[in-house]
Amino acid sequence: AQKVTQTQTSISVVEKTTVTMDCVYETRDSSYFLFWYKQTASGEIVFLIRQDSYKKENATVGHYSLNFQKPKSSIGLIITATQIEDSAVYFCAMREGWSGTYQRFGTGTKLQVVP
Amino acid sequence: EAAVTQSPRNKVAVTGGKVTLSCNQTNNHNNMYWYRQDTGHGLRLIHYSYGAGSTEKGDIPDGYKASRPSQENFSLILELATPSQTSVYFCASGWTGGANTEVFFGKGTRLTVV
Repeated sequence: AQKVTQTQTSISVVEKTTVTMDCVYETRDSSYFLFWYKQTASGEIVFLIRQDSYKKENATVGHYSLNFQKPKSSIGLIITATQIEDSAVYFCAMREGWSGTYQRFGTGTKLQVVP
Repeated sequence: EAAVTQSPRNKVAVTGGKVTLSCNQTNNHNNMYWYRQDTGHGLRLIHYSYGAGSTEKGDIPDGYKASRPSQENFSLILELATPSQTSVYFCASGWTGGANTEVFFGKGTRLTVV
């Protein structure tokens, strides 16, 4: 069955450093899509970045990048040059199959960026 | 810009009462979803819909019903609200199929059942 696990409950980093948030997933499907979302202090949830299972190249958007390790069923989110406004809760999610309808989410990792 | 609007944003309900949470999307997406967020559980899928007239059970459907009368609107119904349903509820919309299927979330509804 489809499952997404985030074991890091919270992380604190110093501003301008790099942080990696972990996510492991379980699926029987050969084709799947992995997503990261950010929930700000106001509660709003926004999409950040996506990795397609059939792509070997790690996705990158701005100062967000992914570390996709398919043999380990792992998709880490890397934030470089962190800023105070990166403080938020980050969710990993997965959708199975090319025609899959819904995404299943992990429990989230709370990131605090301190000066 | 994708838009998903939830109403009400805050709701206090009495145990045993009926609660309806509404969601409207202007993205013309075929899929819509209801999730609830609780500490330690992340976002859990309650119901979802492929399109007008369809509803499907998610991972935690017990105690909830859903209604999708049109492409734009998707409601979550608690026929007999219980304190355990106190939570923050998020509606979302998205496409089926293909790669560009990130979902777009509403701002959430905070429901308190007393």
